[in-house]
Amino acid sequence: SAVISQKPSRDICQRGTSLTIQCQVDSQVTMMFWYRQQPGQSLTLIATANQGSEATYESGFVIDKFPISRPNLTFSTLTVSNMSPEDSSIYLCSVDRGGNTGELFFGEGSRLTVL
Amino acid sequence: GDSVTQMEGPVTLSEEAFLTINCTYTATGYPSLFWYVQYPGEGLQLLLKATKADDKGSNKGFEATYRKETTSFHLEKGSVQVSDSAVYFCALISSNDYKLSFGAGTTVTVRA
Repeated sequence: SAVISQKPSRDICQRGTSLTIQCQVDSQVTMMFWYRQQPGQSLTLIATANQGSEATYESGFVIDKFPISRPNLTFSTLTVSNMSPEDSSIYLCSVDRGGNTGELFFGEGSRLTVL
Repeated sequence: GDSVTQMEGPVTLSEEAFLTINCTYTATGYPSLFWYVQYPGEGLQLLLKATKADDKGSNKGFEATYRKETTSFHLEKGSVQVSDSAVYFCALISSNDYKLSFGAGTTVTVRA
C-alpha cells in the first residue's frame, strides 16, 4: 500500500491569490495524478505528473492555471493560480498501485474555499 | 470517450436492507471496472474491482459482476450496516489508457 500525505488539508483563500498544494508519497511512484472534486460532484482528472517531464493536462485544464511540479519520485505540487470562487473544490493527489492498474491510492484531499 | 453512469442518489436505507447501486459504462476496448468508496471524513479508497467479463469483485460483503452484454457493473450488498454509509463511485480504466474515469457518485445513508 501507499501512504499519501497532502498539505494543506483545508484553506480559505482570497480571490486572485494562488495556493500550492503539496503531495508526499511514502514510496517511489512513476505517475501521480491530480483530481478535482467540486461540491456534490464526481472526481475530474486535472493532470498526470511524471517525474522529469511536464505534466499532461486533461481537456479544460491548462498549465497556466494549474502548474504542477514533480521534482522526484515521491513528491508533487499543484498550484491553483489566480483563484476565483469557482475553484472552490477538494483537490486530490493519487498514485497507481503499479502498472496502470486503475487501483489508485488517494490522499485525503485539500479542501479549498475561495471567497 | 469512455465513461460511467451510475444511479443518482441519495439513497437511504434501514439496517439489514438490500442495497443495489446501478452502474453502466461506455468504453472502447476492454476496460477494467472498479467501485471506490469514500466514508465520511476519509479519503477515497478502492472497494472492489473486476478486470474482465463475468469477473465478480467482492469485498466487505459487497459484490459486483462485470457484465459485458449489458455493459454494467452494479454494486450489491445483501444486508447493509450503519457503517456502510458513504459515497460510492463507479469507475473504469480503459485497456488502452491509464486514466481512471469516475461516475458521479451515489450517497448512501443507512439508518439504525
